[in-house]
Amino acid sequence: GQNIDQPTEMTATEGAIVQINCTYQTSGFNGLFWYQQHAGEAPTFLSYNVLDGLEEKGRFSSFLSRSKGYSYLLLKELQMKDSASYLCAVRRKTGANNLFFGTGTRLTVIP
Amino acid sequence: EAGVAQSPRYKIIEKRQSVAFWCNPISGHATLYWYQQILGQGPKLLIQFQNNGVVDDSQLPKDRFSAERLKGVDSTLKIQPAKLEDSAVYLCASSILQETQYFGPGTRLLVL
Repeated sequence: GQNIDQPTEMTATEGAIVQINCTYQTSGFNGLFWYQQHAGEAPTFLSYNVLDGLEEKGRFSSFLSRSKGYSYLLLKELQMKDSASYLCAVRRKTGANNLFFGTGTRLTVIP
Repeated sequence: EAGVAQSPRYKIIEKRQSVAFWCNPISGHATLYWYQQILGQGPKLLIQFQNNGVVDDSQLPKDRFSAERLKGVDSTLKIQPAKLEDSAVYLCASSILQETQYFGPGTRLLVL
């Protein structure tokens, strides 16, 4: 089976930096995805890591350590519109290559 | 480029009734997924199609849920009969083979 852990809620201040952690346990790891989901909306793709290291995309960066089963999403220069849930999802190297999602971290950005 | 389309956006039914959801994936995306997202949880995969064939339906409650993708493009997901615990958002996603998945706006189902 697989297990994904993320903090349930986080609060951060506008303009600050926040790091959202995700730990996972799975067999046949084949990549980790981060999605952003605003309340009442569909998840939107943010980043993908399959090798160890940091992937940077504008204000968002994602890090992966496969040996530790650990990833984080780093959001810089927080804006109010960044208030959303952030979903960590692991893809397994099965025939179907399906994604397994964590329960998500609800981030609230305050002025 | 048009995104994943779903309809209806909202549906309210009584338990034991039946309901159907429709999804039109991004043009050219061979793989289509249906997810169930219960409030406060992450999406859970129900079924995955590649073209018109089922790749994975291991988490689909087959006694009441069914899905089809007859021509390898649009798909429908049906629940018959619905239970209270089926209240959730049903998300459709598509991808080019098993690459990044792009989600539709979802159908919010309430079973009373």
